[in-house]
Amino acid sequence: GAVVSQHPSRVICKSGTSVKIECRSLDFQATTMFWYRQFPKQSLMLMATSNEGSKATYEQGVEKDKFLINHASLTLSTLTVTSAHPEDSSFYICSASRSSGGSETQYFGPGTRLLVL
Amino acid sequence: QKEVEQNSGPLSVPEGAIASLNCTYSDRGSQSFFWYRQYSGKSPELIMSIYSNGDKEDGRFTAQLNKASQYVSLLIRDSQPSDSATYLCAVNWDSWGKFQFGAGTQVVVTP
Repeated sequence: GAVVSQHPSRVICKSGTSVKIECRSLDFQATTMFWYRQFPKQSLMLMATSNEGSKATYEQGVEKDKFLINHASLTLSTLTVTSAHPEDSSFYICSASRSSGGSETQYFGPGTRLLVL
Repeated sequence: QKEVEQNSGPLSVPEGAIASLNCTYSDRGSQSFFWYRQYSGKSPELIMSIYSNGDKEDGRFTAQLNKASQYVSLLIRDSQPSDSATYLCAVNWDSWGKFQFGAGTQVVVTP
């Protein structure tokens, strides 16, 4: 298989605090991981591409100083939402890219539901 | 601008019937195509990938790819209520594995 875990699955925090979300590929090494955000009844929105050992690449409109991404190893990427505000409440999902037959396939973690009060 | 288009639905399908989902993409250079299923409140899970023109079958699912028409489809045979979900079409368009996702088609299988 290709198993990706995410922790925590759910977090509630106060406005102004920072929240760290971990994404791990459990049975394969992932040079590239992706972070998505999804609001209710909307489609996936790519936030950033995380590459092991280098700086993340952020999509247009995503604040890199607010959403800090670290990809310290081939199996772990973290997303830190700094100074979270209620509008940051969303479903955050990571995916890990696995190479197969010359093509890259993304496998998703179970997601983290963030509620900022 | 690379685009992936899907009919948002909902697509209502009687139990036991075939559900047919369509997806078109704008980048003619795309090489890899994927279908994901997303249940409400859950993350997407991979159903199938397809890379060559033609059909690819996996259980009750069949993916069809036509690169000349820039069209990929998914058929779900013998639809079950558990197939009720949103189906996302994804196209891989760069070497880093970055995907362009469609907005998804909601499928509702009625008993």
